[in-house]
Amino acid sequence: QVQLVESGGGLVKPGGSLRLSCAASGFTFSDYYMSWIRQAPGKGLEWVSYISSSGSTIYYADSVKGRFTISRDNAKNSLYLQMNSLRAEDTAVYYCARAKNDYGDYLDIWGQGTMVTVSS
Amino acid sequence: SSELTQDPAVSVALGQTVRITCQGDSLRSYYASWYQQKPGQAPVLVIYGKNNRPSGIPDRFSGSSSGNTASLTITGAQAEDEADYYCNSRDSSGNHHVVFGGGTKLTVL
Repeated sequence: QVQLVESGGGLVKPGGSLRLSCAASGFTFSDYYMSWIRQAPGKGLEWVSYISSSGSTIYYADSVKGRFTISRDNAKNSLYLQMNSLRAEDTAVYYCARAKNDYGDYLDIWGQGTMVTVSS
Repeated sequence: SSELTQDPAVSVALGQTVRITCQGDSLRSYYASWYQQKPGQAPVLVIYGKNNRPSGIPDRFSGSSSGNTASLTITGAQAEDEADYYCNSRDSSGNHHVVFGGGTKLTVL
Protein backbone atom coordinates (compact mmCIF):
# COMPACT_ATOMS: atom_id res chain seq x y z
CA GLN A 1 0.00 0.00 0.00
CA VAL A 2 0.99 3.63 -0.38
CA GLN A 3 3.11 4.53 2.61
CA LEU A 4 5.59 7.05 3.97
CA VAL A 5 7.73 6.21 6.98
CA GLU A 6 9.86 8.85 8.69
CA SER A 7 12.88 8.13 10.84
CA GLY A 8 15.84 9.92 12.36
CA GLY A 9 14.18 12.00 15.05
CA GLY A 10 15.51 12.26 18.57
CA LEU A 11 16.95 14.51 21.25
CA VAL A 12 19.62 16.98 20.17
CA LYS A 13 21.31 19.93 21.90
CA PRO A 14 20.81 23.50 20.66
CA GLY A 15 23.21 24.16 17.81
CA GLY A 16 23.30 20.49 16.90
CA SER A 17 22.34 18.66 13.73
CA LEU A 18 19.98 15.88 12.77
CA ARG A 19 19.05 14.19 9.51
CA LEU A 20 15.52 12.98 8.97
CA SER A 21 14.62 10.35 6.39
CA CYS A 22 11.32 9.44 4.79
CA ALA A 23 11.00 6.09 3.02
CA ALA A 24 8.30 5.88 0.37
CA SER A 25 6.62 2.73 -0.89
CA GLY A 26 3.60 1.70 -2.93
CA PHE A 27 3.86 4.46 -5.55
CA THR A 28 6.27 5.87 -8.13
CA PHE A 29 8.20 8.19 -5.84
CA SER A 30 10.00 9.97 -8.66
CA ASP A 31 6.67 11.26 -10.05
CA TYR A 32 5.76 13.36 -7.03
CA TYR A 33 6.67 16.61 -5.32
CA MET A 34 7.34 15.99 -1.62
CA SER A 35 7.05 18.20 1.45
CA TRP A 36 8.14 18.40 5.07
CA ILE A 37 5.67 19.81 7.58
CA ARG A 38 6.17 20.14 11.31
CA GLN A 39 3.95 20.48 14.35
CA ALA A 40 5.24 21.81 17.66
CA PRO A 41 3.71 20.21 20.77
CA GLY A 42 0.13 21.38 21.15
CA LYS A 43 0.42 23.70 18.15
CA GLY A 44 -0.72 23.80 14.54
CA LEU A 45 0.86 22.63 11.33
CA GLU A 46 3.77 24.58 9.83
CA TRP A 47 5.07 24.07 6.31
CA VAL A 48 8.86 23.61 6.29
CA SER A 49 9.97 22.85 2.72
CA TYR A 50 9.10 21.16 -0.54
CA ILE A 51 11.07 19.66 -3.39
CA SER A 52 10.06 18.93 -6.97
CA SER A 53 9.93 15.43 -8.39
CA SER A 54 13.37 15.76 -9.99
CA GLY A 55 14.87 17.66 -7.07
CA SER A 56 15.59 20.71 -9.19
CA THR A 57 13.11 23.02 -7.46
CA ILE A 58 13.27 23.61 -3.71
CA TYR A 59 11.68 26.11 -1.36
CA TYR A 60 11.97 26.69 2.38
CA ALA A 61 9.99 28.49 5.04
CA ASP A 62 11.77 31.62 6.24
CA SER A 63 12.07 30.08 9.72
CA VAL A 64 14.40 27.32 8.47
CA LYS A 65 16.05 28.80 5.38
CA GLY A 66 19.81 28.60 5.59
CA ARG A 67 19.71 25.96 8.32
CA PHE A 68 17.70 23.10 6.79
CA THR A 69 18.32 21.28 3.51
CA ILE A 70 15.77 19.12 1.75
CA SER A 71 16.90 16.47 -0.71
CA ARG A 72 15.72 13.26 -2.30
CA ASP A 73 17.14 10.09 -3.80
CA ASN A 74 14.66 8.78 -6.35
CA ALA A 75 16.67 5.58 -6.80
CA LYS A 76 16.20 4.84 -3.11
CA ASN A 77 12.61 6.16 -2.91
CA SER A 78 13.70 8.41 -0.09
CA LEU A 79 13.28 12.00 1.05
CA TYR A 80 15.62 13.71 3.50
CA LEU A 81 15.78 16.77 5.72
CA GLN A 82 19.19 17.81 6.99
CA MET A 83 18.70 20.10 9.98
CA ASN A 84 21.63 22.17 11.23
CA SER A 85 21.99 24.87 13.89
CA LEU A 86 18.93 23.53 15.65
CA ARG A 87 17.05 25.74 18.06
CA ALA A 88 14.56 25.04 20.84
CA GLU A 89 11.79 26.35 18.58
CA ASP A 90 12.52 23.58 16.07
CA THR A 91 11.13 21.07 18.57
CA ALA A 92 8.23 19.39 16.80
CA VAL A 93 6.87 16.30 15.13
CA TYR A 94 8.16 16.31 11.58
CA TYR A 95 5.97 14.83 8.87
CA CYS A 96 6.85 14.05 5.30
CA ALA A 97 3.98 14.24 2.85
CA ARG A 98 3.33 13.57 -0.81
CA ALA A 99 1.97 16.41 -2.92
CA LYS A 100 -0.91 15.51 -5.19
CA ASN A 101 -0.08 18.38 -7.54
CA ASP A 102 3.08 19.94 -8.93
CA TYR A 103 3.44 22.14 -5.89
CA GLY A 104 3.67 21.56 -2.19
CA ASP A 105 0.14 22.21 -1.07
CA TYR A 106 -2.27 19.36 -1.88
CA LEU A 107 -0.78 16.81 0.50
CA ASP A 108 -2.57 13.51 0.03
CA ILE A 109 -0.29 11.02 1.81
CA TRP A 110 1.40 11.67 5.16
CA GLY A 111 3.82 9.68 7.23
CA GLN A 112 3.27 9.00 10.91
CA GLY A 113 5.82 11.64 11.90
CA THR A 114 9.10 11.63 13.81
CA MET A 115 9.70 13.67 16.95
CA VAL A 116 12.60 16.09 17.15
CA THR A 117 13.42 17.58 20.54
CA VAL A 118 15.99 20.34 20.84
CA SER A 119 17.02 20.78 24.44
CA SER A 120 20.15 21.02 26.55
CA SER B 1 4.04 36.42 3.22
CA SER B 2 0.39 35.37 3.31
CA GLU B 3 -1.54 34.24 6.38
CA LEU B 4 -4.60 32.05 6.76
CA THR B 5 -7.00 32.69 9.65
CA GLN B 6 -9.31 30.07 11.17
CA ASP B 7 -11.66 30.19 14.14
CA PRO B 8 -9.98 28.31 17.01
CA ALA B 9 -13.04 26.27 17.92
CA VAL B 10 -16.43 25.37 16.48
CA SER B 11 -19.12 23.03 17.77
CA VAL B 12 -21.99 21.22 16.08
CA ALA B 13 -24.82 19.01 17.25
CA LEU B 14 -24.70 15.42 16.08
CA GLY B 15 -26.28 15.12 12.64
CA GLN B 16 -26.31 18.84 11.97
CA THR B 17 -24.36 20.84 9.40
CA VAL B 18 -21.25 22.83 10.26
CA ARG B 19 -19.10 25.19 8.24
CA ILE B 20 -15.44 25.78 9.06
CA THR B 21 -13.89 28.83 7.44
CA CYS B 22 -10.43 29.93 6.42
CA GLN B 23 -9.63 33.51 5.46
CA GLY B 24 -6.64 34.96 3.67
CA ASP B 25 -5.56 37.02 0.69
CA SER B 26 -3.98 34.00 -0.99
CA LEU B 27 -7.44 32.44 -1.29
CA ARG B 28 -8.37 35.06 -3.87
CA SER B 29 -5.82 33.39 -6.17
CA TYR B 30 -5.56 29.79 -5.04
CA TYR B 31 -7.88 27.09 -3.77
CA ALA B 32 -7.43 25.79 -0.25
CA SER B 33 -7.01 22.22 0.78
CA TRP B 34 -8.36 20.89 4.07
CA TYR B 35 -6.92 18.37 6.52
CA GLN B 36 -8.47 16.49 9.40
CA GLN B 37 -6.24 15.58 12.33
CA LYS B 38 -7.31 13.43 15.25
CA PRO B 39 -5.27 13.28 18.49
CA GLY B 40 -2.00 11.43 18.10
CA GLN B 41 -2.51 10.89 14.37
CA ALA B 42 -1.12 12.36 11.18
CA PRO B 43 -3.30 14.76 9.20
CA VAL B 44 -5.58 13.39 6.50
CA LEU B 45 -6.49 15.29 3.33
CA VAL B 46 -10.27 15.66 3.11
CA ILE B 47 -10.78 18.34 0.42
CA TYR B 48 -8.51 19.82 -2.24
CA GLY B 49 -8.93 22.11 -5.20
CA LYS B 50 -12.31 23.55 -6.08
CA ASN B 51 -14.20 20.77 -4.25
CA ASN B 52 -12.46 17.43 -4.62
CA ARG B 53 -12.52 14.56 -2.15
CA PRO B 54 -9.78 11.93 -2.06
CA SER B 55 -11.02 8.37 -2.26
CA GLY B 56 -12.35 7.14 1.05
CA ILE B 57 -13.50 10.54 2.30
CA PRO B 58 -17.27 10.56 2.96
CA ASP B 59 -19.38 12.76 0.74
CA ARG B 60 -20.66 14.68 3.77
CA PHE B 61 -17.41 16.69 3.44
CA SER B 62 -17.48 19.47 0.83
CA GLY B 63 -15.53 22.59 0.05
CA SER B 64 -16.30 26.00 -1.37
CA SER B 65 -14.65 29.35 -1.86
CA SER B 66 -15.72 32.97 -2.23
CA GLY B 67 -13.43 35.96 -2.34
CA ASN B 68 -10.81 35.59 0.39
CA THR B 69 -12.68 32.85 2.26
CA ALA B 70 -12.59 29.10 1.84
CA SER B 71 -15.07 26.89 3.65
CA LEU B 72 -15.23 23.27 4.65
CA THR B 73 -18.79 22.06 5.20
CA ILE B 74 -19.73 18.86 6.98
CA THR B 75 -23.34 17.96 6.26
CA GLY B 76 -24.70 15.66 8.94
CA ALA B 77 -21.73 15.69 11.31
CA GLN B 78 -20.85 12.38 12.95
CA ALA B 79 -19.12 11.73 16.24
CA GLU B 80 -16.03 10.55 14.37
CA ASP B 81 -15.72 13.95 12.70
CA GLU B 82 -14.59 15.49 15.99
CA ALA B 83 -11.03 16.58 15.22
CA ASP B 84 -8.78 19.51 14.39
CA TYR B 85 -9.17 20.87 10.87
CA TYR B 86 -6.49 22.81 9.02
CA CYS B 87 -6.63 24.69 5.74
CA ASN B 88 -3.64 25.44 3.56
CA SER B 89 -2.88 27.10 0.26
CA ARG B 90 -0.09 28.51 -1.79
CA ASP B 91 1.33 31.84 -0.68
CA SER B 92 0.26 34.55 -3.11
CA SER B 93 3.19 36.88 -2.46
CA GLY B 94 5.28 35.23 -5.17
CA ASN B 95 7.67 33.40 -2.88
CA HIS B 96 6.41 29.91 -3.81
CA HIS B 97 5.75 29.12 -0.17
CA VAL B 98 2.88 27.18 1.37
CA VAL B 99 0.83 28.45 4.30
CA PHE B 100 -1.36 26.70 6.86
CA GLY B 101 -4.17 28.13 8.91
CA GLY B 102 -3.96 27.91 12.67
CA GLY B 103 -6.52 25.13 12.85
CA THR B 104 -10.10 24.75 14.10
CA LYS B 105 -11.05 22.34 16.86
CA LEU B 106 -14.42 20.81 15.95
CA THR B 107 -16.52 19.44 18.79
CA VAL B 108 -19.52 17.25 17.97
CA LEU B 109 -22.10 17.56 20.74
